[in-house]
This record gives sequence, C-alpha cells and structure tokens, in this order.
Amino acid sequence: GAVVSQHPSRVICKSGTSVKIECRSLDFQATTMFWYRQFPKQSLMLMATSNEGSKATYEQGVEKDKFLINHASLTLSTLTVTSAHPEDSSFYICSASDRVYEQYFGPGTRLTVT
Amino acid sequence: RKEVEQDPGPFNVPEGATVAFNCTYSNSASQSFFWYRQDCRKEPKLLMSVYSSGNEDGRFTAQLNRASQYISLLIRDSKLSDSATYLCVVNDRGKLIFGQGTELSVKP
Repeated sequence: GAVVSQHPSRVICKSGTSVKIECRSLDFQATTMFWYRQFPKQSLMLMATSNEGSKATYEQGVEKDKFLINHASLTLSTLTVTSAHPEDSSFYICSASDRVYEQYFGPGTRLTVT
Repeated sequence: RKEVEQDPGPFNVPEGATVAFNCTYSNSASQSFFWYRQDCRKEPKLLMSVYSSGNEDGRFTAQLNRASQYISLLIRDSKLSDSATYLCVVNDRGKLIFGQGTELSVKP
C-alpha cells in the first residue's frame, strides 16, 4: 500500500505555544488529505478535509482559527495547533487519498500540552 | 444516535476461539464499508472491505446487510496476535466515519 509519514511522532509543548504537524505522502500524489483526532478510548474523529491548493473544509465544532491547515502541494499537508491548551492533548492522525474511496493513514502524532 | 455503532467490548477470548463483532450504521446512503484494526497507540490499518455478497480473507469473514444497515466481522481460530481494537468504518460521501471500536484480547 501507499506510504504516508507524519512528523513529529510525539511532541510535548507548553500551554500557549503553537505546534506544527506535517503529513507527507511518500510515493503518490494525494489530491485530498484528512486530519483526525483521537482521544483515549474514543474513536477517530474527522477534523477537516483539505484539497491541494484550496481552503480546508472543517467539521462542525472544529475551530478553523485554532487548527490551521495548509495543503500546499500534492504530497504535503500541515496542521498547526495554535495557542495549544492541555485539552488539545490528543493523538492526531492524517490520511491521504488519491481516490475517493481509499485513504492511507499516517502513523500519528501524539501531542501533550503541559 | 451515533452514525456508526459497535459492540462496546472488551472481548476476552481464548486462543482458537471464534469471535464475532457487530456494527450498525445510520445513513442508508452510505456507499462503502470497512473493518480496520488499530493496535495500541498506533494508526488504524485496513483489515478488509465489506461487500454485500460477503467476503472472506483467511480466518476473517465480513458481511454487509444493507437492508438492516448492519455489518459484521467474524474471526475464526483466534491468535494472540489478533489482540487489537477493531473499528467499523463507513464511507459517507468520501468521509470515513469510524465506530468507537471493539477491543479484543486473545489469551493463551
């Protein structure tokens, strides 16, 4: 299957700082990338969908000014958590798709805000 | 009502057991269906797609009943390595909707 990487795999930051997470499709061009969040013992929740070169579409309840998404190329999307707070601590997972029905997941980024 | 609902689990079974997971979804217009496996603190990995005709992959059998909006996964001859959380996933107009997952623990 296709390979998707995420960086960093784990990050600890202080409350009030911003954190950038990168998602890269390594061996294919991703027309669409998805960002998910997963809290402990809960399922993955879609945060936003981004298409290369256009603004991301955010799910209801997700603040677009807090979770900035940039999909600058067909192989890279970034999620920036601005002014992070402890309640933002979570497992953030991206996926990339080159077709409507198939998504390839990155290994995830574990964010801890102290 | 949740869009995708699964048995809460956890399921604790001995090696060699057969275990079945159930899932229901609320949107009758959903187009495709999957089972994913997620190991602790890892990303989900596609286990298999689910078709109306039913499909089998080794010890795993998945079935879909569109009329009842019901999906199932059967694991035969459980192995220790099958221990994981199994996620029922529905594709709704290009978005993947995940169930909360059912934890399986296979014991020696």
